[in-house]
Order: sequence, then structure tokens, then C-alpha cells
Amino acid sequence: NAGVMQNPRHLVRRRGQEARLRCSPMKGHSHVYWYRQLPEEGLKFMVYLQKENIIDESGMPKERFSAEFPKEGPSILRIQQVVRGDSAAYFCASSPDPGGEQYFGPGTRLTVT
Amino acid sequence: DQQVKQNSPSLSVQEGRISILNCDYTNSMFDYFLWYKKYPAEGPTFLISISSIKDKNEDGRFTVFLNKSAKHLSLHIVPSQPGDSAVYFCAASVQGAQKLVFGQGTRLTINP
Repeated sequence: NAGVMQNPRHLVRRRGQEARLRCSPMKGHSHVYWYRQLPEEGLKFMVYLQKENIIDESGMPKERFSAEFPKEGPSILRIQQVVRGDSAAYFCASSPDPGGEQYFGPGTRLTVT
Repeated sequence: DQQVKQNSPSLSVQEGRISILNCDYTNSMFDYFLWYKKYPAEGPTFLISISSIKDKNEDGRFTVFLNKSAKHLSLHIVPSQPGDSAVYFCAASVQGAQKLVFGQGTRLTINP
């Protein structure tokens, strides 16, 4: 059973460009979570989604960030007009049910130059 | 506001000895606690969890202790092995809510 897949693993963007991070949950998991880890810090919750629904986006910055989890295909975290402060590791996790154990992907390391 | 704190950024332990990692929390609503282990360039891996109705949970070499009155939990690893060298994150949640609140992590190094 494949684990949570994230791609790309590394992404370099210039300031002002858009970044798209993709997450494929484990088979049978319909709950997806995005976390961000800044250097030397712990992971910070961003958003929780179920298929086609955003359930909790309390950790998402109000501007430039959006997330979706369509009926078909991976979950996408989209960052518009990236700035240097967006440089971080972005982790996706999935679970089979709400409140279930979260399984993490390997992360996407975003570098904004 | 840092609701979950791991005050030791690093810890070095001799192979075969006990490793004790500590975590404090401030939100009394938290009722479910987890420890994750993370190697460089990988995602966190679940280790062990404990519900607030318990004060101890054991799984092989790993034991988690919860002291609700002190809002403190600890992870004991015994005996420590070289493969245990990693960053350990404490996390907490309110059951029924899905988001995890993580501490800053403690880098554990096991010396041969």
C-alpha cells in the first residue's frame, strides 16, 4: 500500500511566481491535511479538506494561499505571488476518517529566490 | 502563542541508555497527544499516542507518560539505539478536531 505521495519534492520559484504543490493521499483515505514547517520550527497546521470540501482553513494565510481536494485527482496547495517568507517545507497528511491517525508524506521543499 | 512546547532543542544519549524527551502544553482542552519521529528529508512518522483518560501507554521500547495536572508529557525510549537518532515532535489535538498542534521538536542523537 503506497504511502502519501507529494510532488514535486523540491520546487524553486522566483518572487511573484505561483507555486502548486500536489498531494495524493493513501489509498482509501479521504481526509487530507496540509502543514507548513519553517526552518527550526515545528509543523503548523494550515488546512483540512475532505473530498470537494474545505473543512477547516483556520491556519491558512488570508491572502495568496488556497487549497482544493477535487473529486478526482490529488489535493493541491496553491500559493500565488510567492514571497521569500513562503520558503518552507510543506507536508501533506491523510487519514481514513476524521480524527484518525495522520500519515505524512515526504514533503515539498519550496525555495523562493 | 506556542501551545505545545519542547524546551530542549537537542539531546544526546549513550547507546543502550534511556532517552527521555519532554513536552509541555498550555491548552487544557487538548485530550489526545502523539509523538512523531522525523528523519531528514522525510515526513514525520507516527510513534505512539496517548489519550487523556490514561497516564501511560507503552509500545515496545517506547513509553509515553502523561501528567495532566502539570500539563506535561514525556517519551521514554529504552534501550536507545543508533537508529533512534532523529528529530522527535510532540503533538496535541482536541478529539473531534482534526488539526494537530506540534511542538518545535527535539533532535535526539544516540552515541555508540
